[in-house]
Formats: sequence, structure tokens, C-alpha cells
Amino acid sequence: ETGVTQTPRHLVMGMTNKKSLKCEQHLGHNAMYWYKQSAKKPLELMFVYNFKEQTENNSVPSRFSPECPNSSHLFLHLHTLQPEDSALYLCASSTIAGIFYNEQFFGPGTRLTVL
Amino acid sequence: GQQVMQIPQYQHVQEGEDFTTYCNSSTTLSNIQWYKQRPGGHPVFLIQLVKSGEVKKQKRLTFQFGEAKKNSSLHITATQTTDVGTYFCAGSEGAQKLVFGQGTRLTINP
Repeated sequence: ETGVTQTPRHLVMGMTNKKSLKCEQHLGHNAMYWYKQSAKKPLELMFVYNFKEQTENNSVPSRFSPECPNSSHLFLHLHTLQPEDSALYLCASSTIAGIFYNEQFFGPGTRLTVL
Repeated sequence: GQQVMQIPQYQHVQEGEDFTTYCNSSTTLSNIQWYKQRPGGHPVFLIQLVKSGEVKKQKRLTFQFGEAKKNSSLHITATQTTDVGTYFCAGSEGAQKLVFGQGTRLTINP
């Protein structure tokens, strides 16, 4: 266990559904991340939150909506997804000290299938 | 924008052979990190390199950071079946986010 948990571990949804992915870190970190992992792009950064503030939105479609209510929790709200959005969604956390993004601790991921 | 290229994409070796993966950045990096992802698992941090020309060892793994801080390598001596997985490098340019390479998938014939 890395101290980063993700739920659900597997999710199947239709294109008209709305669902949310949850991530929680118990490490006292100040930064949290969402990554998409697929065969085409092994580790694609989606969003970065630093002290609850979004500092990075890597040109992600608006059908993905992140939320960071506090430094320990991160959500990814999903709506009207496309089949090509099927992938493993990984959450990670780290500390940021000075100019360095320190080692990232990844959760187990949510395997998402969009029908 | 910053790009991190990793080669090779795939590598298959016989158990006991050595393995090396290379990481090249289009820009000078402030630090580079290496991660390993086992099949069906999630990326796990291995090491971080910060200094120009730095070399670090972890048992059979040797990590190098180039003098110009634009490239790095991971070398595994005498591979074992437990080394199977995908190895990612990730570089950061100053206060920028980490950019991951495409990964090198290592498979091993026992």
C-alpha cells in the first residue's frame, strides 16, 4: 500500500452516465494529480492540484471535471464520456519543495470502460 | 513544450542478461525520476537524480544523469524475472510539472 487509495477500482459506464472517481491520500502531501494511462499514451498528466489550487489543466476535455475539496481528497467527475476515454485513471500525490516535484506516490487506479 | 523521449519502447532479454533504457529530454532538466510499473500494477518510485553527472546504485540497478542534465539511463545487471515491468523516466524543468517518458517495457525469458 502506498497511502493513496482510489475508488472504485473498476467502472463500466455508458456514454450518457455521470460518475465520479475518488482519490484519498494519507501521506500529508500538498500536491495531487490525475493521470490517464492507455496503450496509446502510457502516462498522460491531466490535472495538478497544489494546496487545493489547480495549477495544471493539460488541455483536458470539459467532460472531465476535477474537484479538490481539501489537500487529502481529489475527485474526477465524468459525464458524457466517449469510448476512447476508456483507460486506467491513476491518482498520485507528492510534496512540492522549492522547485522540485518530489517522488509521486500512485494509487492503484480505476479501470474505466465506456460503452 | 518539454518532451521526454525514452528508448527502447520494448526490450526482451534472457534471464541473466543486462538491460538498459535511455531517457532524453528536449530541454535541460532540474531533476529526473525513475519509476517501475509491474504488469497490472501502478508506477512505483525508484529514485531521483538531481546533480549533473550523478550516478546512483540500488543493488543491480544503476542510474545515471547526464552531464548536461538532458539525458539519463537505467541499467540493470543480470536481470531476474522480478525485474519484469515497464520502466518510466520523468523529468522536471525548474518549477514545471513532471513529464513522463513513454516507458520501456521489459520482458524476460526465464
